[in-house]
Amino acid sequence: DTAVSQTPKYLVTQMGNDKSIKCEQNLGHDTMYWYKQDSKKFLKIMFSYNNKELIINETVPNRFSPKSPDKAHLNLHINSLELGDSAVYFCASSHDLNSGYTFGSGTRLTVV
Amino acid sequence: KNEVEQSPQNLTAQEGEFITINCSYSVGISALHWLQQHPGGGIVSLFMLSSGKKKHGRLIATINIQEKHSSLHITASHPRDSAVYICAVRGYGGATNKLIFGTGTLLAVQP
Repeated sequence: DTAVSQTPKYLVTQMGNDKSIKCEQNLGHDTMYWYKQDSKKFLKIMFSYNNKELIINETVPNRFSPKSPDKAHLNLHINSLELGDSAVYFCASSHDLNSGYTFGSGTRLTVV
Repeated sequence: KNEVEQSPQNLTAQEGEFITINCSYSVGISALHWLQQHPGGGIVSLFMLSSGKKKHGRLIATINIQEKHSSLHITASHPRDSAVYICAVRGYGGATNKLIFGTGTLLAVQP
């Protein structure tokens, strides 16, 4: 009964492939996020959804497309993977815009 | 220069020591978060505060809005406290729903 679950935990793939990372939260939160942690362990927001509506889209390449079929799920699809996409991707959720965050355990993506 | 700066970047302490990690920010904020990332990679939210002080067990977080500064204190440190501690701030208005992160402080507590 993990609160925020991401799959897969590890993903190794070749350049040019398309891949998806799934995220689900069972906390009843309205807001979900995707964060990227680079090789220097620096975290940065990518996307934020509130009740299935996109509210933040940082300067992320168009190859990254989030999809929220319902407010409990926020998936991340990445087209034409590049070496620089290698990172750890964290999903998170919060009750509302003024609440604390619950993070998933992360997905380590390695592009070879 | 990053909008959120933490110090020190690395900290080694002996078990039982009192530890302080500092966070300074240069933007207006609606809240500040302290996060903990263990070697296994998972991130845990420790505190969210917008004024004053909060305490949870051996952890204490303070914030001074006027000085744009926050501190995280760990009393009676233990090797299991070894982790990366990350400060993050949330802005106002259209930026209320995104966190801006510091670069983290790597803490190692030795037995």
